[in-house]
Amino acid sequence: DIQMTQSPSTLSASVGDSVTISCRASQDISGWVAWYQQQPGKAPKLLVYQTSTLPGGLPSRFSGSGSKTAFTLTISGLQPDDFATYFCQQFKSFPYTFGQGTKLEIK
Amino acid sequence: EVQLVEFGGGLVQPGGSLRLSCAASGFTFSAYSMAWVRQAPGKGLEWVSYITSASDTIHYAASVKGRFTISRDNAKNSLLLQMDSLREEDTAVYYCVQGRGIYDPYAGTSPPTYHYYLEVWGNGTTVTVSS
Repeated sequence: DIQMTQSPSTLSASVGDSVTISCRASQDISGWVAWYQQQPGKAPKLLVYQTSTLPGGLPSRFSGSGSKTAFTLTISGLQPDDFATYFCQQFKSFPYTFGQGTKLEIK
Repeated sequence: EVQLVEFGGGLVQPGGSLRLSCAASGFTFSAYSMAWVRQAPGKGLEWVSYITSASDTIHYAASVKGRFTISRDNAKNSLLLQMDSLREEDTAVYYCVQGRGIYDPYAGTSPPTYHYYLEVWGNGTTVTVSS
């Protein structure tokens, strides 16, 4: 199975800051990575797929990058709604696997 | 608007069974692959199972293989998860998720290879396995 390792586990930032979350795959996943946001008590929401593609309607302050085994999610100009937990996920091969999550907290 | 609504969660004793269902609306259900993803209390996400639009390919996580069965009824726009031999570690919120496939031109396989990200999530149903 492909392991996905996210860092950091927790991140503290202020409204207006820019932050970066990292995700490392245990093998080359050829860009088949997605990122999800989860607000407390809510279902996850797709943010980015295939490394850097945003679904329609998503603010451009979210961006994804990376290749092979190293991927990042960057949020520029943090808004109050952005304080949530973020997960990466590989969809190169089954079983699909998630990172353990990064909780973004208000400083 | 795409909607996925899960039903069937509840409290069950270890060793028992439960059947989850997911009612889909707002899209052509028969054209999409679907998945179940779960989240134990205070934990991260765990992919559980996946089924193609025509039910011709099915995958399970090792943790549920042989105990859970995914199926779908395209005529009723419904996704199902039969859960047998339940264990306390199956306690979680279970999400029904619509998959969106992307063709991989570099895989060089026949039939073609698609990769599926999890596009739309239901609100989840809670399963508690406890005596």
